[in-house]
Amino acid sequence: TQLLEQSPQFLSIQEGENLTVYCNSSSVFSSLQWYRQEPGEGPVLLVTVVTGGEVKKLKRLTFQFGDARKDSSLHITAAQPGDTGLYLCSLMIKAAGNKLTFGGGTRVLVKP
Amino acid sequence: KAGVTQTPRYLIKTRGQQVTLSCSPISGHRSVSWYQQTPGQGLQFLFEYFSETQRNKGNFPGRFSGRQFSNSRSEMNVSTLELGDSALYLCASSLVLGNTEAFFGQGTRLTVV
Repeated sequence: TQLLEQSPQFLSIQEGENLTVYCNSSSVFSSLQWYRQEPGEGPVLLVTVVTGGEVKKLKRLTFQFGDARKDSSLHITAAQPGDTGLYLCSLMIKAAGNKLTFGGGTRVLVKP
Repeated sequence: KAGVTQTPRYLIKTRGQQVTLSCSPISGHRSVSWYQQTPGQGLQFLFEYFSETQRNKGNFPGRFSGRQFSNSRSEMNVSTLELGDSALYLCASSLVLGNTEAFFGQGTRLTVV
């Protein structure tokens, strides 16, 4: 059983469309991070969400933390080809020995 | 300030050989973690070092080892390479142990033939 589930696994959209990707855990967590990884590069931290119900915006990216702190979503408005990449969520799970654990990721392709 | 630097970027080895990968963390960061990334398994935690001591370890065989030096630089070693060890190995640095915000290097792409 995956500790962190991300969906969908793959998303292909046209430039200008909107998209949402999801991250779900079976456990309540104290904070969650979203990363984006471009081909041939390491993941880059986008945001940390901490408070249940919290919403953070980063230009066209909107991150939301579920009220129960078991899920999070990332919404991209008017996607651009530069948004192409692998979106990863991560959190520290005590059940996993306090290791930083990553979801399987959502691969996003934005076509021009 | 300079980011996390990993060397080499690419490596090709044959089965049975051993390999050492290097990571220089962001200046002032004392925690270094290593991850293996493959298409099938995603990002998997290998180990974390802080103050020259291994503080946490993932579920990998003993062929995978690492160390950290007094300047926080870290190396990881894989002995008796297997085809399945082919992966992108990523190093991440954090200010302190257990920090959830990690800064990654570009990775070392290891291919075992």
